[in-house]
Amino acid sequence: NAGVTQTPKFQVLKTGQSMTLQCAQDMNHNSMYWYRQDPGMGLRLIYYSASEGTTDKGEVPNGYNVSRLNKREFSLRLESAAPSQTSVYFCASSPLFAGGNEQYFGPGTRLTVT
Amino acid sequence: AQTVTQSQPEMSVQEAETVTLSCTYDTSESDYYLFWYKQPPSRQMILVIRQEAYKQQNATENRFSVNFQKAAKSFSLKISDSQLGDAAMYFCAYRANFGNEKLTFGTGTRLTIIP
Repeated sequence: NAGVTQTPKFQVLKTGQSMTLQCAQDMNHNSMYWYRQDPGMGLRLIYYSASEGTTDKGEVPNGYNVSRLNKREFSLRLESAAPSQTSVYFCASSPLFAGGNEQYFGPGTRLTVT
Repeated sequence: AQTVTQSQPEMSVQEAETVTLSCTYDTSESDYYLFWYKQPPSRQMILVIRQEAYKQQNATENRFSVNFQKAAKSFSLKISDSQLGDAAMYFCAYRANFGNEKLTFGTGTRLTIIP
């Protein structure tokens, strides 16, 4: 039982390049999330998928797209990377989208855009 | 929009002592959840404790307990008998219990344990 896994763990991109961050969970959770963490700002929600087949914007969606490939997998794509997207990215999942459900986090991806 | 404020960017405590981390939040809702998450140097976020706003009794998990003051919109975390493994960033988070409300995080408190 690996929980939430993310690939890659580290990535360096040049401005304008594209890439996809992969996330998978093996807990049969319905809801999945992508956050970014910047120094002094806590975690901010980029996109979420409340259930398989649905995706919605979070607090900071600009410059990102997501795909809920199936119940297990939720990917985050940067089409044209910008230095402002330098951050640590976390994927999370929860059994349901409802308020008290614990979110389980992956180990994060440290992305640097030069 | 809901906001979560952690006014202590850094705290330190002697090993085996007790420390309290502060959190305040702003909401007009009455039904919500509050959380404390721990982020050790490994970066993995781990849930420490959860409190439902309708429950008057403060949540406890082993050495971790909260002081939930609903009227004051305050949600502090007390760590008793601090251990070296408690060194981490601690994030307070809020989530309303309806609709598509998201989890809102504070900016975190870095806790250092002094041996």
